[in-house]
Amino acid sequence: QITLKESGPTLVKPTQTLTLTCSFSEFALSTSGVAVGWIRQPPGKALEWLARVYWNDGKTYSPSLESRLTITKDTSKNQVVLTMTNMDPVDTATYYCAHMIWSGYYVDSWGQGTLVTVSS
Amino acid sequence: QSALTQPASVSASPGQSITISCTGTSSDVGSYNLVSWYQQHPGKAPKLIIYEVNKRPSGVSNRFSGSKSGNTASLTISGLQAEDEAVYYCHSYADSIDIVVFGGGTRLTVL
Repeated sequence: QITLKESGPTLVKPTQTLTLTCSFSEFALSTSGVAVGWIRQPPGKALEWLARVYWNDGKTYSPSLESRLTITKDTSKNQVVLTMTNMDPVDTATYYCAHMIWSGYYVDSWGQGTLVTVSS
Repeated sequence: QSALTQPASVSASPGQSITISCTGTSSDVGSYNLVSWYQQHPGKAPKLIIYEVNKRPSGVSNRFSGSKSGNTASLTISGLQAEDEAVYYCHSYADSIDIVVFGGGTRLTVL
C-alpha cells in the first residue's frame, strides 16, 4: 500500500520561503509512468495543482505560480521536495503530496496533508 | 477561478440518485478521456473514486459511476447513503504544457 507523508513548517512569515518534504513508501519514483506532485487547498476552497515531478525527472509547474516554485526528487531517499518563495497570507492552505499515474493523469494516493499558515 | 465548472451544491434523500456535472472545454474534458473524480470528507484528504472517465478503483462501491458527453463529464451516485455526504471534485488533463485542472467542487448533502 502506497503511503505519502508531508513534513515542514506549520507557520511561515510573509516573504519567507516554504520548504515541504514528501516522504513516500511502497513505490519507486524511478518506475516508468509515475509522478509525485503537490496540491494545495486553502481553507474552505478548492484543490489546486502546484507542481509535479516525473520518473524521468520531467517537471511541470502551475503557470500562475511557476516563478515561485521548485520541485526536486531524491530517488535514493524516496523523497520529493517543494520550495515556494515569497510566501503571502493567501498561500495559507493545506498542502498535499500526491502519487499520480501519468498514463491516466489521476491521483491514486494522497498524503494526509499539512496545514501551512502564513502570518507575521 | 477553476477551469472546470461544477455546481456548488446538490442534495437528495437516502436511497435516491444524483448526478454531478463537470463542464470543461474542447481543450480538456472534450478531447481526453482523462477525467477523474475525488471524494473529500471534512478534514480528510481526497479519495479517488473514478478515473479515466468511468473506471472505478478497487474497493470503490459500484454505486459510483462516471460518464462523459462532449465537454461535460458526470458523476452519478445511486442509492445515496449518509456516508456519501462529502465534497466531490472533478479533474481533467488539459491541452498545452501538461496541465491538469480541478473543478471547483460540489458539496453533496444527504437529507
